[in-house]
Amino acid sequence: KQEVTQIPAALSVPEGENLVLNCSFTDSAIYNLQWFRQDPGKGLTSLLLIQSSQREQTSGRLNASLDKSSGRSTLYIAASQPGDSATYLCAITNAGNMLTFGGGTRLMVKP
Amino acid sequence: DTGVSQDPRHKITKRGQNVTFRCDPISEHNRLYWYRQTLGQGPEFLTYFQNEAQLEKSRLLSDRFSAERPKGSFSTLEIQRTEQGDSAMYLCVTGWGTEAFFGQGTRLTVV
Repeated sequence: KQEVTQIPAALSVPEGENLVLNCSFTDSAIYNLQWFRQDPGKGLTSLLLIQSSQREQTSGRLNASLDKSSGRSTLYIAASQPGDSATYLCAITNAGNMLTFGGGTRLMVKP
Repeated sequence: DTGVSQDPRHKITKRGQNVTFRCDPISEHNRLYWYRQTLGQGPEFLTYFQNEAQLEKSRLLSDRFSAERPKGSFSTLEIQRTEQGDSAMYLCVTGWGTEAFFGQGTRLTVV
């Protein structure tokens, strides 16, 4: 059974800092890994999708990496802004087309 | 807007009542999932449809829960005899290929 863990559970940083969110998973037989953003009381917005054959994806100030062999992914946010404050979730799609989520990292970027 | 529509967005019900939620996916998406998310946690898998076939059900889906996807289009999730522990955000996720798209969710409060 796939288990996904996100560390830290919560993070508070001053505006302008670069930061890294971590996601680890136990079963490396994955189809892809997605990073999502969730604002309070809202649904999830997909940020980046990394296929199992890829090592990283970039979108604007976001960069996500994937290392299947070690069961790890990171989401790098450059030059953080208060508008980046949200919960960030990683999710694995495995061979059964099932999405398994981590518990999320709650990010607060202070002005 | 991901194109996945959920209705209602919010539902307050008294304990013991039945509730039904609806999800309208993007038309060409053949995979549809229901997830439940409680405060501060990542989404937890409830059930999965491939077209009209319900292929997977979580042990979280007690006999009070039932989901349908007639004709492989929209889906409904019904909870009978609601309990306070059913209070959560219910998320519909649809996918085509390997990417997942989330609806905005239905927030259920059982009082």
